[in-house]
Amino acid sequence: AQSVTQLDSQVPVFEEAPVELRCNYSSSVSVYLFWYVQYPNQGLQLLLKYLSGSTLVESINGFEAEFNKSQTSFHLRKPSVHISDTAEYFCAVTSKTSYDTVIFGPGTSLSVIP
Amino acid sequence: DVKVTQSSRYLVKRTGEKVFLECVQDMDHENMFWYRQDPGLGLRLIYFSYDVKMKEKGDIPEGYSVSREKKERFSLILESASTNQTSMYLCASRVENNEQFFGPGTRLTVL
Repeated sequence: AQSVTQLDSQVPVFEEAPVELRCNYSSSVSVYLFWYVQYPNQGLQLLLKYLSGSTLVESINGFEAEFNKSQTSFHLRKPSVHISDTAEYFCAVTSKTSYDTVIFGPGTSLSVIP
Repeated sequence: DVKVTQSSRYLVKRTGEKVFLECVQDMDHENMFWYRQDPGLGLRLIYFSYDVKMKEKGDIPEGYSVSREKKERFSLILESASTNQTSMYLCASRVENNEQFFGPGTRLTVL
């Protein structure tokens, strides 16, 4: 069975400061990893994903995440946040086995302070 | 652009009513999912379907059922709504084990 831990339920940060949202997972098999973002009153949308290849993946709006197999982590980082980044962020994992479900973490609420 | 639509954004029902939540996707995805989202608990999987007429229980299926008569449509049914089913309900679809595409959600309140 897989599980996902997001240690920080709420992260306040000042505008233009860097931020890291932590995600750790447990799994006995190889995995795919995802970060989703949820803006207020909306559904979730994909921010970035790791399927294979380079362990560092980037989004179009400046976020990046690094897959660390030895530490079973997939932390999300941004060097300089904007007010518009205020949202709920979910880390998710699924095994590489066909037809497996996705396990979501409990979410981290990022609040960017002007 | 993949589009997943849900029949209602907000819904208010009374205890004991039968409730239908509908989800439609336009990208010919085989896999579809229903989640509920509650503060501090993240997303919990209620039911999923890998193909038409197929359905599988997720982590919290009690009190719910589903229907998938057509590939693009996946319905969640609350046979007799209860107050503890007040929640945000999210539908999603995907291709194999890749990313999921979510609908905007239905916020259901059961009085």
